[in-house]
Amino acid sequence: KNEVEQSPQNLTAQEGEFITINCSYSVGISALHWLQQHPGGGIVSLFMLSSGKKKHGRLIATINIQEKHSSLHITASHPRDSAVYICAVGGGSQGNLIFGKGTKLSVKP
Amino acid sequence: GAGVSQSPRYKVAKRGQDVALRCDPISGHVSLFWYQQALGQGPEFLTYFQNEAQLDKSGLPSDRFFAERPEGSVSTLKIQRTQQEDSAVYLCASSLHRGGVGTEAFFGQGTRLTVV
Repeated sequence: KNEVEQSPQNLTAQEGEFITINCSYSVGISALHWLQQHPGGGIVSLFMLSSGKKKHGRLIATINIQEKHSSLHITASHPRDSAVYICAVGGGSQGNLIFGKGTKLSVKP
Repeated sequence: GAGVSQSPRYKVAKRGQDVALRCDPISGHVSLFWYQQALGQGPEFLTYFQNEAQLDKSGLPSDRFFAERPEGSVSTLKIQRTQQEDSAVYLCASSLHRGGVGTEAFFGQGTRLTVV
């Protein structure tokens, strides 16, 4: 069993829809990262959070440390949001990240 | 530079060839990580540097993989006698502080290696 599980693996939405991507993890952490990866391969850090909720524009990330669960929400989705969204947790003793397999999001106009 | 820079962006190697992948982290960043991302998978940890010291190389899949960061800035990941299973995107990330699970990491664009 992977230490970081994301769902769904693939998600297709219509422009304007509210989107939720879930992440569950089994290791003890003190921070969780949400990352965005575009087809070219580059990764952009969206959020790093250790408790509660963070908001940036149309993106909202929440985390429940007790339940070992985090969600990434996108409000008013847009085709440019199409990307792979990856959840990663700080797992190694040196701070290296353990990644989920990603959720491939496609937003149709 | 403004961000983490990796080169080359794409590399095609014949099986058995040696390759070298370069990572220029953000200036002043202490920590540097290498990750391997196979097609359709999330990235997996390869190795970690704190300045010039390689503190963790537990993720390197074989002794054909070697990484260095001699002056604590630029890092090179070398793969000797490449095999087809080495085909992947190799990602580099840097962070300002000494490791720590709460440290924000900045990623490069990655190098897509294809071994034919």
